[in-house]
Amino acid sequence: DIQMTQSPSSLSASVGDRITITCRASQSISISVNWYQQRPGKPPKLLIAAASFLPSGVPSRFSGSGSGTDFSLTIDSLQPDDFATYYCQQSSNNPYTFGQGTRVEIK
Amino acid sequence: QVQLVQSGGDVKKPGASVKVSCKASGYTFSSYDITWVRQAPGQGLEWMGWISPHNGKTDYARQLQGRVTMSTDTATNTAYLELRGLRSDDTAVYYCARDLGDYGNLNPLGYWGQGTLVTVSS
Repeated sequence: DIQMTQSPSSLSASVGDRITITCRASQSISISVNWYQQRPGKPPKLLIAAASFLPSGVPSRFSGSGSGTDFSLTIDSLQPDDFATYYCQQSSNNPYTFGQGTRVEIK
Repeated sequence: QVQLVQSGGDVKKPGASVKVSCKASGYTFSSYDITWVRQAPGQGLEWMGWISPHNGKTDYARQLQGRVTMSTDTATNTAYLELRGLRSDDTAVYYCARDLGDYGNLNPLGYWGQGTLVTVSS
């Protein structure tokens, strides 16, 4: 199985900060990575598709990059709604594994 | 608008089976695969597999093979997840989700059901 290793597992930040979450795949997966945001008690929400594409309706402060094994999600100017848990997911090989999640908390 | 509405929560005993439904609306049901993802309490997300309502093709997570069956009813636009031989570590919220579309087989999950809590307890 492809392992997706996210870092950090948690971070504290302030409104207005810029943060980056990284995800490393255990083997090359081209751009087959999606990123999700999940708030407590809610289903995940798609933020980034195919490593770097922003679906309609997702604010432009979110961006994704990477290919091969190394990927990142960046949030420019954190907003109060952005304090949540973020997951990467690879969609290259069965099982389509998720990273363990990164919890973003208010400093 | 696309909506996925799941059945209500359930409590099962170890060894039993559970069947969760996911009723789709707002789009052509047969045109998009349905994926199932689960989340144990306080834990991360686990991909379980997908089904094509168009032709019934499935792709299950290898660790669930033999215990899971995904199916669809195109007459009612409903997808089903059945899990057999339940264990306590199957206690989780189960989500159905739909491909956003436009990304080929990269399968970004752009639409999600509200989740169904399945509790396995003696």
